[in-house]
Amino acid sequence: DTGVSQDPRHKITKRGQNVTFRCDPISEHNRLYWYRQTLGQGPEFLTYFQNEAQLEKSRLLSNRFSAERPKGSFSTLEIQRTEQGDSAMYLCASSAWQETQYFGPGTRLLVL
Amino acid sequence: KNEVEQSPQNLTAQEGEFITINCSYSVGISALHWLQQHPGGGIVSLFMLSSGKKKHGRLIATINIQEKHSSLHITASHPRDSAVYICAVRRETSGSRLTFGEGTQLTVNP
Repeated sequence: DTGVSQDPRHKITKRGQNVTFRCDPISEHNRLYWYRQTLGQGPEFLTYFQNEAQLEKSRLLSNRFSAERPKGSFSTLEIQRTEQGDSAMYLCASSAWQETQYFGPGTRLLVL
Repeated sequence: KNEVEQSPQNLTAQEGEFITINCSYSVGISALHWLQQHPGGGIVSLFMLSSGKKKHGRLIATINIQEKHSSLHITASHPRDSAVYICAVRRETSGSRLTFGEGTQLTVNP
């Protein structure tokens, strides 16, 4: 257990539905990251926050994706109008500034 | 061509063998990470390094900045070392984001 938690751990949804994932970072960490990993591949960066500010977004993050970190603590990642190509493991990590990133267990999404 | 390349993609070893996994990158970096991922997805950070060598137990990580190359070594390998090992870099120009290799699947047989 790294101290980063994610909920839910698994999500099955039908194409076109909206889903929301939550990440609770290590409490004293000011940076929070979202990554996506498809089977057999390394993770890919989606976005990151420093406190409540979203500082960087990947081109992978289409307008169907939105992430928030309203009080600089937990974060949510929402996918609207899910597509089968969104099926992946969504990983959250946190760090204190540019130090080691601690990863959560991930949320595995399956879009039918 | 990926910015971060790992070799080999798959590695099978017998318990007790010395193992080396390689990582080459093509961009300027401020740090390189070695990560371990077990089945089920959980990722654990093993090392973060920007120069030289680090050691933790049976694991050793080295980096050569001039050659843009890093290696992860496992001494006296054990079946519990079986996992995917991922190299990731923090680019000089990318703030905090990590760029990952595709991983090396290691299987250590008893």
